[in-house]
Amino acid sequence: AQSVTQLDSQVPVFEEAPVELRCNYSSSVSVYLFWYVQYPNQGLQLLLKYLSGSTLVKGINGFEAEFNKSQTSFHLRKPSVHISDTAEYFCAVSTPNDYKLSFGAGTTVTVRA
Amino acid sequence: EAGVAQSPRYKIIEKRQSVAFWCNPISGHATLYWYQQILGQGPKLLIQFQNNGVVDDSQLPKDRFSAERLKGVDSTLKIQPAKLEDSAVYLCASSLLVVSYEQYFGPGTRLTVT
Repeated sequence: AQSVTQLDSQVPVFEEAPVELRCNYSSSVSVYLFWYVQYPNQGLQLLLKYLSGSTLVKGINGFEAEFNKSQTSFHLRKPSVHISDTAEYFCAVSTPNDYKLSFGAGTTVTVRA
Repeated sequence: EAGVAQSPRYKIIEKRQSVAFWCNPISGHATLYWYQQILGQGPKLLIQFQNNGVVDDSQLPKDRFSAERLKGVDSTLKIQPAKLEDSAVYLCASSLLVVSYEQYFGPGTRLTVT
C-alpha cells in the first residue's frame, strides 16, 4: 500500500513571495503523483500530475512540482504567490493499474498582503 | 460543460438520524466516486462506481452506509443511523473513462452530526 505525508499543515506567506509545499510518499512499487487544490467552499481541482517522463512537472496557475525518486518526494512550488492562491493543497499518490488516489492530510496556504 | 453537482451543501442532524446526499456527475462520465473528508485529513475513498456497478466499496462502513447509482448517472449516498464520527465533508467525483486519474470533484456536502 502507498501513503503520503505532507510535512506542513499550514504555510503562511506574503503576496509575491515564493512558496514550497512538501510532500513525501511511501510505496513499494512505482508511483503516479498528483497535487490538488481546494479553494474555500469548492471541490478539489487537479493542479498537476506526474505519470512518467520529465521529473519537473508544470501545472496550472504557475505551479510546478519536481519528482525525486531517491528522496521519495514531490514538492510543489510557485515563485510568486497571489492572494487568490489562498487554499488547501493536497498531495496524492496512485500506482499503475490501481487508479485509486491516496491523499495526504493537506497543507493550508494563507497568502497575506 | 457543467461540473459535478451535489446537494445539499450543508446538513445538520442528530446522532441516530438518517441522511442522504445526492450527486449528479458530469454528463457522459462513466465512473463516479464518493469520498469522505474528515476535518484535518485528506479525502478517503468510500465507494467507486463504474456505470451502475460497484468497482470498490472496501472502505464503506456497510453497517450504516449505503450507496446506489441507478441508471448509471446520478448517485445517492445514505447514512443510517448517523454517528458523531460521521461529521465530515462528503465529496463526489467523476471521471470520463472507466479507469482514469482525471477526477473532477463536486463542492461537497458538509455534514454535522450533533
